[in-house]
Amino acid sequence: EPEVTQTPSHQVTQMGQEVILRCVPISNHLYFYWYRQILGQKVEFLVSFYNNEISEKSEIFDDQFSVERPDGSNFTLKIRSTKLEDSAMYFCASTQGLGAYNEQFFGPGTRLTVL
Amino acid sequence: AQKITQTQPGMFVQEKEAVTLDCTYDTSDQSYGLFWYKQPSSGEMIFLIYQGSYDEQNATEGRYSLNFQKARKSANLVISASQLGDSAMYFCAMREAPWGGSNYKLTFGKGTLLTVNP
Repeated sequence: EPEVTQTPSHQVTQMGQEVILRCVPISNHLYFYWYRQILGQKVEFLVSFYNNEISEKSEIFDDQFSVERPDGSNFTLKIRSTKLEDSAMYFCASTQGLGAYNEQFFGPGTRLTVL
Repeated sequence: AQKITQTQPGMFVQEKEAVTLDCTYDTSDQSYGLFWYKQPSSGEMIFLIYQGSYDEQNATEGRYSLNFQKARKSANLVISASQLGDSAMYFCAMREAPWGGSNYKLTFGKGTLLTVNP
């Protein structure tokens, strides 16, 4: 069964460093998402991406964040200068089509720890 | 206002019994989808079940069923015959489908931590 994959599973970084979180969505999916979950809290939407551009971003997704689909398979989230409060689990998700009924498939997540 | 409200931070159930996890939602859209995800301690998000706003029948998937009451804007998850492996955090989520929208992001509730006792 196809699945969304994410690497690395755990990333530890120093405050101020840049990190890139990688995702490989399901191959025939067209819509891609990043969410984050601070420990013990709910999952929050960061950004959605379609047709090689951002379709919506939340207030969390400030200038320190960027997303890219550098090739036909990878979808990346970059944090330019990490802060302590960026420590969270980051989930990538993809869906095949629009509509309220299309399931979003989630990757296993990358746990980011900023020291 | 919260779009998804899960009022039970934690629930306990005996193995083999049924349990209902509550979820209420708020939207002005006519077309929307409601989803339940399970998050075990390992952290991954596991899709369980969804209900479309136009679906007349309550959704069922194995031991999971969704008690959808549209007028009340509630979408409670019912787990029958609980198993020890059901112990996890459960999130209710909604995808709204506004006219002309191009995003369809999921909005999550705060979750309910279910503990199944032997």
